[in-house]
Amino acid sequence: ETAVFQTPNYHVTQVGNEVSFNCKQTLGHDTMYWYKQDSKKLLKIMFSYNNKQLIVNETVPRRFSPQSSDKAHLNLRIKSVEPEDSAVYLCASSYGRGEVFFGKGTRLTVV
Amino acid sequence: GQQVQQSPASLVLQEGENAELQCNFSSTATRLQWFYQHPGGRLVSLFYNPSGTKHTGRLTSTTVTNERRSSLHISSSQTTDSGTYFCANYGNEKITFGAGTKLTIKP
Repeated sequence: ETAVFQTPNYHVTQVGNEVSFNCKQTLGHDTMYWYKQDSKKLLKIMFSYNNKQLIVNETVPRRFSPQSSDKAHLNLRIKSVEPEDSAVYLCASSYGRGEVFFGKGTRLTVV
Repeated sequence: GQQVQQSPASLVLQEGENAELQCNFSSTATRLQWFYQHPGGRLVSLFYNPSGTKHTGRLTSTTVTNERRSSLHISSSQTTDSGTYFCANYGNEKITFGAGTKLTIKP
């Protein structure tokens, strides 16, 4: 049963537009993550938050910005999308350094 | 940074055969986890196995921490086992994934 919820499932947009993806977890976890999965299925960490505090901020373009209102929510905004941003964006959560659970992902297509 | 290496990159088996997937990692801070992703699907946690051996159904995970390796064994494979298997390990406040093993089970 899904406990990490992502919306939308899919999004198609044009180059230069702004998009926002939402993520909510109902597991009571204190740590949330955003991962990007490319066309080769490689998974790369983008951001990690612990109790609303940013603890991991990988080298991603500045047009990507995470937003956390509380420890159950971690959204991702992309200003002015580029074609290389087309990918699946996966949200996940864990309690501290424990087991990680993923959402179903948001597939972004930039045309 | 931490490295996570998976082998083989792809594996094709006949239904009923056993599958053995390997994962080697560079960090000693082990929070080893195995995931399954079927085509177009989300990542499903199979095992959270920092050390030792765990079983569930036809799946067995064995992690040898001091040798920095883990394995996933699938016995009597079925066509529904087809998909991509990832291992991931924790280090430097983040989880690093291997490149995955694409498993194809033929009927």
